[in-house]
Amino acid sequence: EVRLVESGGGLVQPGGSLRLSCAASGFTFSDYAMTWVRQAPGKALEWISAVGGSGLSTYYADSVKGRFAISRDNSRNTLYLQVNSLRADDTAVYYCAKCATYSSGSHYDYWGQGTLVAVSS
Amino acid sequence: EIVLTQSPGTLSLSPGERATLSCRASQSLSSSSLGWYQQKPGQAPRLLIYGASSRAAGIPDRFSGSGSGADFTLTISRLEPEDFAVYYCHQYDRTPLSFGQGTNLEIK
Repeated sequence: EVRLVESGGGLVQPGGSLRLSCAASGFTFSDYAMTWVRQAPGKALEWISAVGGSGLSTYYADSVKGRFAISRDNSRNTLYLQVNSLRADDTAVYYCAKCATYSSGSHYDYWGQGTLVAVSS
Repeated sequence: EIVLTQSPGTLSLSPGERATLSCRASQSLSSSSLGWYQQKPGQAPRLLIYGASSRAAGIPDRFSGSGSGADFTLTISRLEPEDFAVYYCHQYDRTPLSFGQGTNLEIK
């Protein structure tokens, strides 16, 4: 059974940082690209970042480029998102999702339950 | 950047009726790189359709997807009570990837 479990969210002050994690199980982690999608309260889904199966290819939305960094540790079956210089409009539930292929240009067949990041002073 | 526009924003129907949801892309997708997701309150999204028309594993056959180029449709042939939710389209043709703003399918 595929499982994705996010952690690392919380309340942080503007300008602060967090490291989000997504622990994966039930599939060969290194064979698939992974992605982060967020959802602000009452708003639509927003794609923010993706990484290929090897970890060498990374992609970002303009809204987070230069502030967020995606990475993966295939030996630990874990996906990460380092979020820096946080702003109030970064407040959202952050979901990790498994891509259906090795490359990031793919639909997402499994999703975690999300971790909430709240940015407030 | 490809912008996806979903219509209508809200669709009010009764169980047993047919639902037709639209997703229009600001540029033609070079391949049918479009998916549809269902999201219920407090839950993660669930994949329904990928490649514009392929049903994901375990999805009932009352859900179907169609379209190509820049115009795509999700059809639910006969609404069941559990189908009332928010539906999002998603393009994965080119980065930055993007989602539509969603269609809220509510019980009339």
